[in-house]
Amino acid sequence: AQTVTQSQPEMSVQEAETVTLSCTYDTSESDYYLFWYKQPPSRQMILVIRQEAYKQQNATENRFSVNFQKAAKSFSLKISDSQLGDAAMYFCAYRWDAGGTSYGKLTFGQGTILTVHP
Amino acid sequence: DAGVTQSPTHLIKTRGQQVTLRCSPKSGHDTVSWYQQALGQGPQFIFQYYEEEERQRGNFPDRFSGHQFPNYSSELNVNALLLGDSALYLCASSVTGAPTEAFFGQGTRLTVV
Repeated sequence: AQTVTQSQPEMSVQEAETVTLSCTYDTSESDYYLFWYKQPPSRQMILVIRQEAYKQQNATENRFSVNFQKAAKSFSLKISDSQLGDAAMYFCAYRWDAGGTSYGKLTFGQGTILTVHP
Repeated sequence: DAGVTQSPTHLIKTRGQQVTLRCSPKSGHDTVSWYQQALGQGPQFIFQYYEEEERQRGNFPDRFSGHQFPNYSSELNVNALLLGDSALYLCASSVTGAPTEAFFGQGTRLTVV
């Protein structure tokens, strides 16, 4: 069974600084997707960034980037120029790539609460 | 586009009762997944519906059941509620066969007393 582990229950960062959230996962599959989701107090899960396992290049989305280490099964999220609106719970998630289609369950980590100080 | 909508937003039930939660997927989406998120934890997959059938199921007892309607909306039913069923229930919709990601609703907060 696939597992996702986030070892940092809480992290904090000063506004405009950079913070990195850690995630490790375990799978015997070779084709899969990894995601970072943000869950603000509004409770809605928002996709931040995704990484296809077959791609060596790390994904980036504006201020958000990942460090994907497939051999080490590590998938960290870097938030640059942190903003007050980045404060939320962040979840790392895994999904097996079922032939390139989007169906299939997401397996989530336990989450990291990110606090941004002004 | 209304996105994924869930109802109700909050619900309080008594132990032993039954509850039905509802989800309308994002326009154009045909697949609905349900997740249970206990306080301070990550979401746990309950099951997924496609073409009005349960396609995948997580490690949840038979007290948890669901349904998908021809318009792709879905219901989650929980029978014989336990205190431990208190959680945020999230619905996610997606498109089978397309490289699109799941969109989540804001969830239903269920409290069992």
